[in-house]
Amino acid sequence: AQSVTQLGSHVSVSEGALVLLRCNYSSSVPPYLFWYVQYPNQGLQLLLKYTSAATLVKGINGFEAEFKKSETSFHLTKPSAHMSDAAEYFCAVSGVSIQGAQKLVFGQGTRLTINP
Amino acid sequence: GAGVSQSPSNKVTEKGKDVELRCDPISGHTALYWYRQSLGQGLEFLIYFQGNSAPDKSGLPSDRFSAERTGGSVSTLTIQRTQQEDSAVYLCASSLTVDGTPLHFGNGTRLTVT
Repeated sequence: AQSVTQLGSHVSVSEGALVLLRCNYSSSVPPYLFWYVQYPNQGLQLLLKYTSAATLVKGINGFEAEFKKSETSFHLTKPSAHMSDAAEYFCAVSGVSIQGAQKLVFGQGTRLTINP
Repeated sequence: GAGVSQSPSNKVTEKGKDVELRCDPISGHTALYWYRQSLGQGLEFLIYFQGNSAPDKSGLPSDRFSAERTGGSVSTLTIQRTQQEDSAVYLCASSLTVDGTPLHFGNGTRLTVT
């Protein structure tokens, strides 16, 4: 079974500082990995995804993530934080249900706060 | 519409009442998912529909929860005899294919059981 662990339920950084949100996964098969962002009172929006192509994946809003198989990690980074980046971020790994359907397993989420 | 649409956006109900939550997926998307987001609990998978296949109901927390998808499009999640612990945001998502395709989420229905 797949699982995801996001280290740190809350992360706070200063505007302009590096953003690093940690995600470790467990998967018995080569995974598909995703980062989603959720702004207040909205649904989840895809930031980026890894689907076994390049290990460094670039997403929207200047975010990127690197797939490291040896570390089973898929950490999300952004060189310089903006106030608009304040949101909840979810890491997810795709799994397979008993009927062979894709089923995303989500981490607990990390709330990112940006300090002016 | 252009995105996944959920209704109502907010629902307040009394304990013991039944509620129905509706999801309109993106046109042409064959896969439809329901997730529950409780405070401090992350996202919990509830049920998955793919085309005409039998749904994956492995995430439904109790037999009070059921869902159907009519005509391969609109889906309704029904909670019978609601309990306070059912209070959460219920998110619907759809996708075009299965392997590695990201989900498109609606804005959710916030359910409050008093």
